[in-house]
Amino acid sequence: DVKVTQSSRYLVKRTGEKVFLECVQDMDHENMFWYRQDPGLGLRLIYFSYDVKMKEKGDIPEGYSVSREKKERFSLILESASTNQTSMYLCASSWNTGREAYGYTFGSGTRLTVV
Amino acid sequence: QKEVEQDPGPLSVPEGAIVSLNCTYSNSAFQYFMWYRQYSRKGPELLMYTYSSGNKEDGRFTAQVDKSSKYISLFIRDSQPSDSATYLCAMRKSGNQFYFGTGTSLTVIP
Repeated sequence: DVKVTQSSRYLVKRTGEKVFLECVQDMDHENMFWYRQDPGLGLRLIYFSYDVKMKEKGDIPEGYSVSREKKERFSLILESASTNQTSMYLCASSWNTGREAYGYTFGSGTRLTVV
Repeated sequence: QKEVEQDPGPLSVPEGAIVSLNCTYSNSAFQYFMWYRQYSRKGPELLMYTYSSGNKEDGRFTAQVDKSSKYISLFIRDSQPSDSATYLCAMRKSGNQFYFGTGTSLTVIP
């Protein structure tokens, strides 16, 4: 089974801190994604990556950046955490189009609280 | 208007009931359709995947796609308390990005 592992389940950070969320997948998927999930708003795409060192902005990239130095690892960075970034963060990976698309495989999520 | 609309519920049914969960979409370019199940404080897990109109069955679950009406459904037969979760529909065009509904919260009461 494909595994997508997020480094932390729960994080509490202070306003203004730089925060790193790490995600690792073990199935050689080309694509990796970062979403945040909030009640009533559903899943919103922050950034995604099709390949190593490639990144694309999603729907809500402001206040975030990403890094993909290796194919299996995709990091989300909150440059200066703010309280409105308190949320559940979900990492996902998938095959590239051209292969049969079975959908995303998600990690278990990181619940981030910014105080 | 969102590209994918899903009634958030909550939906509460007695054990053994048939559950119907639905999503509508506005863009006819969507080709691949999925349903995810998300338990509380967990990541979503893929439940059903379909391509093209029609029905797909997997045990107690049936996914239905009606492209002419831009409408997809998930039916759960003989619902169990363990089916209590949030169900997310998702769909994809020809690119790599999936578009999600906001999720429907389901509770199955023993």
